[in-house]
Amino acid sequence: KAGVTQTPRYLIKTRGQQVTLSCSPISGHRSVSWYQQTPGQGLQFLFEYFSETQRNKGNFPGRFSGRQFSNSRSEMNVSTLELGDSALYLCASSLAGQPDSPLHFGNGTRLTVT
Amino acid sequence: AQTVTQSQPEMSVQEAETVTLSCTYDTSENNYYLFWYKQPPSRQMILVIRQEAYKQQNATENRFSVNFQKAAKSFSLKISDSQLGDTAMYFCAFMSRNTGTASKLTFGTGTRLQVTL
Repeated sequence: KAGVTQTPRYLIKTRGQQVTLSCSPISGHRSVSWYQQTPGQGLQFLFEYFSETQRNKGNFPGRFSGRQFSNSRSEMNVSTLELGDSALYLCASSLAGQPDSPLHFGNGTRLTVT
Repeated sequence: AQTVTQSQPEMSVQEAETVTLSCTYDTSENNYYLFWYKQPPSRQMILVIRQEAYKQQNATENRFSVNFQKAAKSFSLKISDSQLGDTAMYFCAFMSRNTGTASKLTFGTGTRLQVTL
């Protein structure tokens, strides 16, 4: 069974641009959640999608948005990029999005904003 | 809100020895999960072990075991017979069993573990 796939692995953008990151969950998983990892703030929860609906959201500005498609694939979008958005963005999927369902993480997308 | 604290930024252990990583947390909830995740240089977060708060018995997974002290809000990870492949960042994490916060993990700052020959 293929794991969680995130594309691209690396991305370099300029301040003010926007970016879209993609996450393909494990087959059959309906929940996808996103995390931001930075040296200063550590790992922080961005949001979670389940059956195409955002079910939970962390404390990030509205520039961070996401969506989930009918095949459970998810995209995350960051508009008007700032230098502080440079981070590793991790996606995780789970079967049912319940606490009993373990999270499976991808290898992340490393975003650098210059 | 929950907080998770890992007070050891870095640790080192010799191959075949035992090492314990510390984690404390703060929550007003009574029903939750605690996790240890490992992040090697490949960047993928890998689940090492999981503990359900309502279970008194400490979880074990092969060479990995936890010491869960609910009253003290302490959740340490013991790695026995350390191997070079155990070299990684280790994160302690909390998840509420409230389904409204499903998949929302609160992580500690991590402990970098180096296993040496």
